[in-house]
Amino acid sequence: QVQLVQSGAEVKKPGASVKVSCKASGYTLANYYMHWVRQAPGQGLEWMGIVNPSGGTTSSPDKFQGRVTMTWDTSTSIVYMELSSLRFEDTAVYYCSRSFQNGMDVWGQGTTVTVSS
Amino acid sequence: QTVVTQEPSLSVSPGGTVTLTCGLSSGSVSTNNYPSWYQQTPGRAPRTLLYSTNIRSSGVPDRFSGSIVGNKAALTITGAQADDESVYYCMLYVGRGISVFGGGTKLTVL
Repeated sequence: QVQLVQSGAEVKKPGASVKVSCKASGYTLANYYMHWVRQAPGQGLEWMGIVNPSGGTTSSPDKFQGRVTMTWDTSTSIVYMELSSLRFEDTAVYYCSRSFQNGMDVWGQGTTVTVSS
Repeated sequence: QTVVTQEPSLSVSPGGTVTLTCGLSSGSVSTNNYPSWYQQTPGRAPRTLLYSTNIRSSGVPDRFSGSIVGNKAALTITGAQADDESVYYCMLYVGRGISVFGGGTKLTVL
């Protein structure tokens, strides 16, 4: 079955970078775009961006421009999201989710990123 | 900056019907915004309910339905059950590859 398995929890200091991975199984990675979403403690969902593992295009809102990098490796079926210059307010659960008809169908289990000094 | 609006909270009686809406701060929602809906309970990853306005995700019961009502997207739950008590998020595609979530609606079944 289609599954997305994300990497484990991370604790980072302010100013550092974090790289979260999302391993896809049960389908061909290149055939679907992948979204990244985050959720700060007690807050709502926030869309961070989307990557096309086939064409190489990425899109993200202005808020994350210059700080978020989405990459992929089709040989291992893994998509990565790297967030740089971490701030305390980047503490959140980060999700990958497969894109389907401009929405999302399958979700990863989430990766907790804690920014703490 | 595009803002997607949702009711902060709603309540419904068991067995009742409730409609949640999803609007845009600037303009009307249409099928070209590909409205999608997600259900989330505390500590869990979101669950996809609907995409492209009204297409149910696999395994979602048909008491969840989607539509465009006036200038907003809508999620209607018919025959509400206790385990429908969750936070519901809508997401809209706003163009140039960008999507935006609404702030979520906390639904209480009582």
